[in-house]
Amino acid sequence: DAGITQSPRHKVTETGTPVTLRCHQTENHRYMYWYRQDPGHGLRLIHYSYGVKDTDKGEVSDGYSVSRSKTEDFLLTLESATSSQTSVYFCAISDPAGTDTQYFGPGTRLTVL
Amino acid sequence: AQSVTQPDIHITVSEGASLELRCNYSYGATPYLFWYVQSPGQGLQLLLKYFSGDTLVQGIKGFEAEFKRSQSSFNLRKPSVHWSDAAEYFCAVGEDTGRRALTFGSGTRLQVQP
Repeated sequence: DAGITQSPRHKVTETGTPVTLRCHQTENHRYMYWYRQDPGHGLRLIHYSYGVKDTDKGEVSDGYSVSRSKTEDFLLTLESATSSQTSVYFCAISDPAGTDTQYFGPGTRLTVL
Repeated sequence: AQSVTQPDIHITVSEGASLELRCNYSYGATPYLFWYVQSPGQGLQLLLKYFSGDTLVQGIKGFEAEFKRSQSSFNLRKPSVHWSDAAEYFCAVGEDTGRRALTFGSGTRLQVQP
């Protein structure tokens, strides 16, 4: 299994509070992604990174920001959490020099009350 | 933009029966196609992938999938289902763009009856 960890694994927070989720990889892969998973929607791309300090938006980026100061860490921040951001968040990595296959972390279940 | 359709939200099969999960995609060029499986409370595990070449792809856990360009399909099959196959299955198409992200279908939940 690819070396990807996410923290925290579970979090309950209140509306309006900031939340940061962390993704850590030990594979030295260049590309990292944040997806959210909601029933009936599969996984949808929030943000992605193609290198240190290089990030861009996905299809559902409103209300989220990201940062990548090191190859191994990709942070997702909800500046002011809303109930619509209650979801399961997955981090993924891929190495485009290989086969573009993405490998996923275990996920973070976030509940915004 | 590409899209993926998994027409079956939920499928129930008996243990030992054969399985086929449907996946249709919309993409302009030759797609990169994937099947992932997600057990309850777990992350996504790659079952198999198609990039080019042989249109019948073998994966882990006895699964296979066939790429049919004329039908824009990439259906997942298994000849004999085991109770441990109960999970949610996602089909995805890769982008031939700089961001190289995946577009997922909405998933098919498989229930296995004893």
